[in-house]
Amino acid sequence: DTAVSQTPKYLVTQMGNDKSIKCEQNLGHDTMYWYKQDSKKFLKIMFSYNNKELIINETVPNRFSPKSPDKAHLNLHINSLELGDSAVYFCASSPQYGQPQHFGDGTRLSIL
Amino acid sequence: GIQVEQSPPDLILQEGANSTLRCNFSDSVNNLQWFHQNPWGQLINLFYIPSGTKQNGRLSATTVATERYSLLYISSSQTTDSGVYFCAVVSDMRFGAGTRLTVKP
Repeated sequence: DTAVSQTPKYLVTQMGNDKSIKCEQNLGHDTMYWYKQDSKKFLKIMFSYNNKELIINETVPNRFSPKSPDKAHLNLHINSLELGDSAVYFCASSPQYGQPQHFGDGTRLSIL
Repeated sequence: GIQVEQSPPDLILQEGANSTLRCNFSDSVNNLQWFHQNPWGQLINLFYIPSGTKQNGRLSATTVATERYSLLYISSSQTTDSGVYFCAVVSDMRFGAGTRLTVKP
């Protein structure tokens, strides 16, 4: 059983499209995160939710909108995709904020 | 915000060698984590180590929070150890830039 699962694993799409990435965790954790990993492997936090409430929102364009329907799910919707959005997006979860994080396998987004 | 620096940026080893990876952070922390990103891109938890020393097989880690650093030791390295090693201050969700390790057979 995968602890933190993301879908899809790969996403190839055209500039200007809207797409979503889904994340689910079955660890019973309260806190979930989205990270972006760029081509130089640098990992940067985008959002963090604790029990469905947004607690961290780093400097991310408004085109990115996270949605947490319940504490086990944190989805990422991206509008009007741009070339610079090409990256690997990782979802993670932790029991509480500031505790050890467990990562999904990532979603590789490629914008044509 | 807190700064996290890792060294060296790149490391090439012969199989069987030992290595030490370093993580420095700019302020006192109490929740440091080490990860291994394997060649398939998966981020694997290695240690959650706010302070002290932990061991898991050939890997061990030590954090000296008062001196603002953590070390990851890899002994008798294997080709499967290749990948990028990250340290992170999880309360700030700040990652270092990583150490890329290549272990040659």
